[in-house]
Amino acid sequence: QKEVEQDPGPLSVPEGAIVSLNCTYSNSAFQYFMWYRQYSRKGPELLMYTYSSGNKEDGRFTAQVDKSSKYISLFIRDSQPSDSATYLCAMEENTGFQKLVFGTGTRLLVSP
Amino acid sequence: KAGVTQTPRYLIKTRGQQVTLSCSPISGHRSVSWYQQTPGQGLQFLFEYFSETQRNKGNFPGRFSGRQFSNSRSEMNVSTLELGDSALYLCASSLEPTGSGNTIYFGEGSWLTVV
Repeated sequence: QKEVEQDPGPLSVPEGAIVSLNCTYSNSAFQYFMWYRQYSRKGPELLMYTYSSGNKEDGRFTAQVDKSSKYISLFIRDSQPSDSATYLCAMEENTGFQKLVFGTGTRLLVSP
Repeated sequence: KAGVTQTPRYLIKTRGQQVTLSCSPISGHRSVSWYQQTPGQGLQFLFEYFSETQRNKGNFPGRFSGRQFSNSRSEMNVSTLELGDSALYLCASSLEPTGSGNTIYFGEGSWLTVV
C-alpha cells in the first residue's frame, strides 16, 4: 500500500463547476500538506500549503486537511479551462529533513 | 526573481552511458533536492543537499549520485544508464532544509530518454 493514495482520474467537468480533489494517507507523522499543479511537460507549481489540520483559502482554491481521518482535499471554485492540468498532493514529516511524498496525481479536464 | 533553472531540458542517451544534470536554485535558496517522475511510479524523492552535504537520500541504487557546490548549484549524475531511468528529473529548492514545511519550488525538469 502506498503512503499516499490519489485517484488518477481523469476528472472531467464543465467550465464553472466546483472541483473536489482528494488524497488519503497512512503515515500519521505527516505534518505539512501541499497541492501542486503540473501542466503537461512542465514542472510542478505550488498551489497551496497547509500545516496540520484546518482550512486555507486562496482565491478560487481551498485546501482542507483532516488529520484524524488522514484525508486532504483541494476545492476549485468556478473552474476554468486553464485549470486543466494534473494536480498532485504532497506531504512531509517534521523530521528536519526535506522529503516530500507525492500522490500519483489527478488529471483534471475542464471543458468550455 | 528567477525560478529554479535546470539544464539540459531534453536529452537522449544510450544504455550504459552516464548523464549529468544541472540545477540552479532560486537566488538565496540553500537547499536543493532532486525527484524522479515516471508515469508508473509518479514523483519519487532522490536526495537532498544543503551546504554541499547530502542530508537525505531516497531508495535509489548507487548509480544515482549528486553534489552541491558552494554557490548552492547542484548536479546529479546517473551512471550505467538503464532503459528504466527514462524519466523527468526535477530539481527543487527551498530557503532552508529543516523539513519543517519550508516552501519547496520546482524547476521545469530535465527529460531523459534512454534508448
